[in-house]
Amino acid sequence: GQQVMQIPQYQHVQEGEDFTTYCNSSTTLSNIQWYKQRPGGHPVFLIQLVKSGEVKKQKRLTFQFGEAKKNSSLHITATQTTDVGTYFCAGLRTYKYIFGTGTRLKVLA
Amino acid sequence: DGGITQSPKYLFRKEGQNVTLSCEQNLNHDAMYWYRQDPGQGLRLIYYSQIVNDFQKGDIAEGYSVSREKKESFPLTVTSAQKNPTAFYLCASSPPAGRGRYEQYFGPGTRLTVT
Repeated sequence: GQQVMQIPQYQHVQEGEDFTTYCNSSTTLSNIQWYKQRPGGHPVFLIQLVKSGEVKKQKRLTFQFGEAKKNSSLHITATQTTDVGTYFCAGLRTYKYIFGTGTRLKVLA
Repeated sequence: DGGITQSPKYLFRKEGQNVTLSCEQNLNHDAMYWYRQDPGQGLRLIYYSQIVNDFQKGDIAEGYSVSREKKESFPLTVTSAQKNPTAFYLCASSPPAGRGRYEQYFGPGTRLTVT
């Protein structure tokens, strides 16, 4: 079946360092979404990318959708302690969301 | 105040008992979803429903059942046939299809422990 993998699984960074998580699908996606889940919480929608090669920014966060619509990345510039959590990508295929395995980010003050 | 509610937050059951998890939304969303999350892992789709009185199996539907009699409600029953039911269960909904927005809004989740 279709799989969406994310790397790395875990990432520990010092506050102020940059962070990137990568999402790779075995098949082409209609769109890609990113969610953040704080420890003990539920996933919260961050952004949706639809077009091939699309790049979107939200303050310190930069999201990219690959040209082939099979991969995506989330980059955080100058991490802060509030960035702690697990970041998931989710690809949409025929009304079904296929969630990535997630990247757990820890930020050390 | 619009949103998705799940109850209870924590649920404890004995092995062999069926248990129903509640999910209600007042966002007027057509689509609703149930996911299971195990510690340190991603979300796996159990069931989803695009419209009232219709639902489809997700990737791990065995041992679970759902109903969608009302637009606002999508309860999940964890049956005794589910081999390893202890997990964090998340319900979600998304706006009507065709508007170009498919983001999911998640409820706070129910942590089910079966002993």
